[in-house]
Amino acid sequence: AQTVTQSQPEMSVQEAETVTLSCTYDTSESNYYLFWYKQPPSRQMILVIRQEAYKQQNATENRFSVNFQKAAKSFSLKISDSQLGDTAMYFCAFMITSGTYKYIFGTGTRLKVLA
Amino acid sequence: DVKVTQSSRYLVKRTGEKVFLECVQDMDHENMFWYRQDPGLGLRLIYFSYDVKMKEKGDIPEGYSVSREKKERFSLILESASTNQTSMYLCASSGPGRGNTEAFFGQGTRLTVV
Repeated sequence: AQTVTQSQPEMSVQEAETVTLSCTYDTSESNYYLFWYKQPPSRQMILVIRQEAYKQQNATENRFSVNFQKAAKSFSLKISDSQLGDTAMYFCAFMITSGTYKYIFGTGTRLKVLA
Repeated sequence: DVKVTQSSRYLVKRTGEKVFLECVQDMDHENMFWYRQDPGLGLRLIYFSYDVKMKEKGDIPEGYSVSREKKERFSLILESASTNQTSMYLCASSGPGRGNTEAFFGQGTRLTVV
């Protein structure tokens, strides 16, 4: 069975600083995607960044980047120059690319950016 | 922009009632999902559908059923609501196939069963 583990239930960071959110996963599949989703307070879940498992290069989207370690099954999210609008729940998710394309989510990390 | 719309933002129902949660997407996506979100438990998959009239159980299907009669609409049904089904329910869609991997979410329905 595939599982996703987020070991940090809550984190905080000062505005303009950098924070890293951790995620590990478990699968025996070789082809899959990994995602970080953001859920702002009382707002819709949106995609932050995605990584294809066969790509060695770490994905980057503006201030958001990942550290993908396939052998260690680790997929951390780094947020640089944190902004107040980054305050949200962050979910790590996983999807295998064979069969049905269901997404498996972690338990989430609540991030608070402090002014 | 992809839109996934859930019929209600907040819902209060009585124990034993039959409850329908509706979800509509406007991007012709094959795949649709119902998740339940609870604090400390993250998102847990209830059911998903990869085509009209096709459905598969997720991790926590007990007490729920689903219906997908049209491609754009995926309904979650609580046959006899119980207080332990009080939760946030999220609908999502994705597709087609491998080319589009992003899941798009609705705004969520916060259901309270009293």
